Amino acid sequence: DAGVTQTPRHEVAEKGQTIILKCEPVSGHNDLFWYRQTKIQGLELLSYFRSKSLMEDGGAFKDRFKAEMLNSSFSTLKIQPTEPKDSAVYLCASSDWGGYNYAEQFFGPGTRLTVL
Amino acid sequence: GDQVEQSPSALSLHEGTGSALRCNFTTTMRAVQWFQQNSRGSLINLFYLASGTKENGRLKSTFNSKESYSTLHIRDAQLEDSGTYFCAADRVGDNSKLIWGLGTSLVVNP
Repeated sequence: DAGVTQTPRHEVAEKGQTIILKCEPVSGHNDLFWYRQTKIQGLELLSYFRSKSLMEDGGAFKDRFKAEMLNSSFSTLKIQPTEPKDSAVYLCASSDWGGYNYAEQFFGPGTRLTVL
Repeated sequence: GDQVEQSPSALSLHEGTGSALRCNFTTTMRAVQWFQQNSRGSLINLFYLASGTKENGRLKSTFNSKESYSTLHIRDAQLEDSGTYFCAADRVGDNSKLIWGLGTSLVVNP
């Protein structure tokens, strides 16, 4: 079975550009998470979907960050407009929530974004 | 405030030796995951525990929800064990979101 896939693996953007990151969860998983990882802040949750419904949009990240899940096997994270402080690794994770309290999350390889 | 306190922040081991990493929780958690982040940045699942102890090869992990901690023991460390280790816990009532520790940077030396 394929794990979580993310594209592109690396992205370089100029300040003010719009970029779209893509994620395909593990087939059959119904929870999908977008995280940002930096050395200073560590891992921060950006957005969280359950069965394609947005459960959390990450509060402080609402402004320029928009995650969408148009079907159960594909999600995008749009950053518009990009700023240099957005430089980070963006990670996508999925889990198979079967109605229990918690389900193990599996991560993709990440997209390293550099904003100049 | 901080809800997952991970220690130590950095650790150096010689091949063949072992040590323990620990996460203390300041609120009730219902499950914990441990990950290794390798040099390419990939997060590799090591353990998922809702209680008790699990073992996998040279690694062993324990989660005690009542006493609010989890440990990861590494024995007979190998060079490929180098990387950053994270614990992440699911807080009761928090709808599957993980609360992350800041990580332990492990270097295994020959």
